[in-house]
Amino acid sequence: SQTIHQWPATLVQPVGSPLSLECTVEGTSNPNLYWYRQAAGRGLQLLFYSVGIGQISSEVPQNLSASRPQDRQFILSSKKLLLSDSGFYLCAWSVYGTGYTFGSGTRLTVV
Amino acid sequence: SQQGEEDPQALSIQEGENATMNCSYKTSINNLQWYRQNSGRGLVHLILIRSNEREKHSGRLRVTLDTSKKSSSLLITASRAADTASYFCATDQLSSARQLTFGSGTQLTVLP
Repeated sequence: SQTIHQWPATLVQPVGSPLSLECTVEGTSNPNLYWYRQAAGRGLQLLFYSVGIGQISSEVPQNLSASRPQDRQFILSSKKLLLSDSGFYLCAWSVYGTGYTFGSGTRLTVV
Repeated sequence: SQQGEEDPQALSIQEGENATMNCSYKTSINNLQWYRQNSGRGLVHLILIRSNEREKHSGRLRVTLDTSKKSSSLLITASRAADTASYFCATDQLSSARQLTFGSGTQLTVLP
């Protein structure tokens, strides 16, 4: 069956520290992969998406970057976190024309 | 940028009543999707309706799509306390067919 794993569930990091969030998908090949951020009580903002290994598209200029080193692995990174990077980060996958499957999310608090 | 806008932002009903949420969008779409999110959790896909469809059912869910008005509605019949969650519409736009654009959501509270 198809599943998606996202970790960690919660993270508290000081300003200026690096970040690495990982997402892996099982049970499907060549999925489209996405990173979204959700501010409290708000909708989702698309940060990055990838249609294949090494192919990353960025939607908004920001302090974050993404990489896809393997077909079913998507990583969200930052070299130096800002307070404004706090939020709920969600990874998702899809095959075109179908609904998205989301991970359980990472609550990031930058202090 | 936000494409879908849900209405109302918050809705509180009694168990057993029907809940209707609306979504409006701005650009042409391939399909429109509805998702549910329990507090602090990931989103769960509920239903997808394609641009050439007008109505779709899934259990207690009924979704309509009016492409001429660029709007959709989600009806939950015979609501239960467990339906309490945030509901989001998301559009798969013709101009950017590999990504969904989400609205800001409707917070539904079903009182027992």
